[in-house]
Amino acid sequence: NAGVTQTPKFQVLKTGQSMTLQCAQDMNHNSMYWYRQDPGMGLRLIYYSASEGTTDKGEVPNGYNVSRLNKREFSLRLESAAPSQTSVYFCASSEAGVEKLFFGSGTQLSVL
Amino acid sequence: ELKVEQNPLFLSMQEGKNYTIYCNYSTTSDRLYWYRQDPGKSLESLFVLLSNGAVKQEGRLMASLDTKARLSTLHITAAVHDLSATYFCAVDGRTTSGTYKYIFGTGTRLKVLA
Repeated sequence: NAGVTQTPKFQVLKTGQSMTLQCAQDMNHNSMYWYRQDPGMGLRLIYYSASEGTTDKGEVPNGYNVSRLNKREFSLRLESAAPSQTSVYFCASSEAGVEKLFFGSGTQLSVL
Repeated sequence: ELKVEQNPLFLSMQEGKNYTIYCNYSTTSDRLYWYRQDPGKSLESLFVLLSNGAVKQEGRLMASLDTKARLSTLHITAAVHDLSATYFCAVDGRTTSGTYKYIFGTGTRLKVLA
């Protein structure tokens, strides 16, 4: 059972570079989420998607864009990476409002 | 705007002792979730609390929810080393567009000393 799959697991970028974090789930969930985790800050919601074709901003959306490509896939793009975006990124999915979140294994991103 | 606060942020306790982690949230919600995270790992679900007065227990951990007080507690009984981890609570808040977003507390890093 794959669950939620994130790629890559590790990434190092230089300031100004762009990249896309990929996330896919095989549980037929409608809702998908992107969080970032920083020491002492818990998990902060970047963007979420309640269903295919819809996306909404979370707590910290600045500097990010997302695409809900289909029901399975939800990608997070950094157009021009900044050192402040150094973090661990988690993708999650759920049947929103009635069920817990299922998390991917995370992406550790360093921006130099 | 939904805010979720946990305390304490850090907790160092002796094996065999009891302690409680608190989770307060700022707006009405009937659903609260507890997760555990081991160092360098992802989050795994511990408890789902779906109504006022809900109580769930698993081993040495017991979680409860008081929606009127907007408070959930995670009680640890007779702690053992294996419980060392970071514990997060999360609340799902319904947005004006009818969707749900899950907001997390800052986490409580628990260290159980032998």
